[in-house]
Parts: sequence; structure tokens; C-alpha cells
Amino acid sequence: NAGVTQTPKFRVLKTGQSMTLLCAQDMNHEYMYWYRQDPGMGLRLIHYSVGEGTTAKGEVPDGYNVSRLKKQNFLLGLESAAPSQTSVYFCASSYAPVMNTEAFFGQGTRLTVV
Amino acid sequence: KNEVEQSPQNLTAQEGEFITINCSYSVGISALHWLQQHPGGGIVSLFMLSSGKKKHGRLIATINIQEKHSSLHITASHPRDSAVYICAVSTYNTDKLIFGTGTRLQVFP
Repeated sequence: NAGVTQTPKFRVLKTGQSMTLLCAQDMNHEYMYWYRQDPGMGLRLIHYSVGEGTTAKGEVPDGYNVSRLKKQNFLLGLESAAPSQTSVYFCASSYAPVMNTEAFFGQGTRLTVV
Repeated sequence: KNEVEQSPQNLTAQEGEFITINCSYSVGISALHWLQQHPGGGIVSLFMLSSGKKKHGRLIATINIQEKHSSLHITASHPRDSAVYICAVSTYNTDKLIFGTGTRLQVFP
């Protein structure tokens, strides 16, 4: 089983460039999440979705946009990349709210903005 | 002050040692999650618990709701246990997880 797959795994962007990170899950999960992981900090929630066609802001949404056009995919877009967005990005999914069930994570995308 | 605190931040051990990683939290929770992250790798869920104790192989997780504290124990540690262990909590009124900063464990042969 593939589980949660993120593409790409690595990317280097120049300041001002745009890009889209793709998260795909094959577990028919309703809930999907995008997090960023920075040194010395816990994972922080960027945006999340509670079902196809829905999105909501998390803790650190500025500079990012998301879309959930298909249930299995959750896209994270950077409109104009900034060095502060250098981070490792993780996607996660869950069948139900994480208050009730475990979350499944992808392998991460390491993004460097120069 | 972070809502989820882990200790220690870094831990080294010799193969075979018994290891304990601690997690304290300051919010009311519906569940606590223990996660494992290998170097350069993804994050894997180890346990989700809301009371008592769970065991999987050499890993044991306990939680004390009254004291707002959880521990992750590794018995007979092995170099392949070297990873970052992350504690996260979920609360009743949100769909979100609150994460600790992780404990980096290195087990030497």
C-alpha cells in the first residue's frame, strides 16, 4: 500500500518563484493536513481539509494556498516563495478527526528557497 | 510556554538499555499520539492513547490523564531505534494536533 505520497521530495526555489506540492493518499481518508517542520519547533499546521472541496486555515497559513478538488489529493501552493518558507513539509491524512483516530504521514518534502 | 513539552531533547544510549521519553501537556486532551521520525524519513504513528497503557513489541506507551503526562519506553534498545520521537495531543474541540518539539534518540552498538 502506498499510503500517503508526497511529490516532490526535494526542491530548490528562487525567491519569488511559485510551486505546488502534491499529496496523494489511497486510503479513502476524509481529512488531510499540510504541516511544516522547522528546527527547534514542533510541526505547525498550515492548512487542512475535512473533505473533498473543503479547505481551512491552520496555524501558519500566510503565503500558502491549498486545494482539494479530489478526495485523494491535497495540493499546497506557494505563490511567491520567500526564504522564510524554507522548511520540510509534511502531508498527513486521517479517516476521522485526529481526536478519534491516528494520522498517516507522508515522507516529507524538503524545500529550500534561496 | 509550549502546550506540549518533551524531555529530554536529546538522548544517547547503549544497545540494550531501557529508554524513557517523557511528554507533558497543559491542555485538555482527547488523545495523545506518539510518532517516530527516522533521519531523512517520514513520520510514522506508533501509538494513540487516551488512558492507561499500550504495548507494541519493545515499545510501551503510558498516559496519566490526571497528571497530564505520558511516557514512551523502549526496552532492549537497538541502533535501529535511533530516531526522533514526537509527542502530539489532540483536543476535543478541534480537528488538529499540537506537537512537541521531539526527542532525538541515538542508540550506539
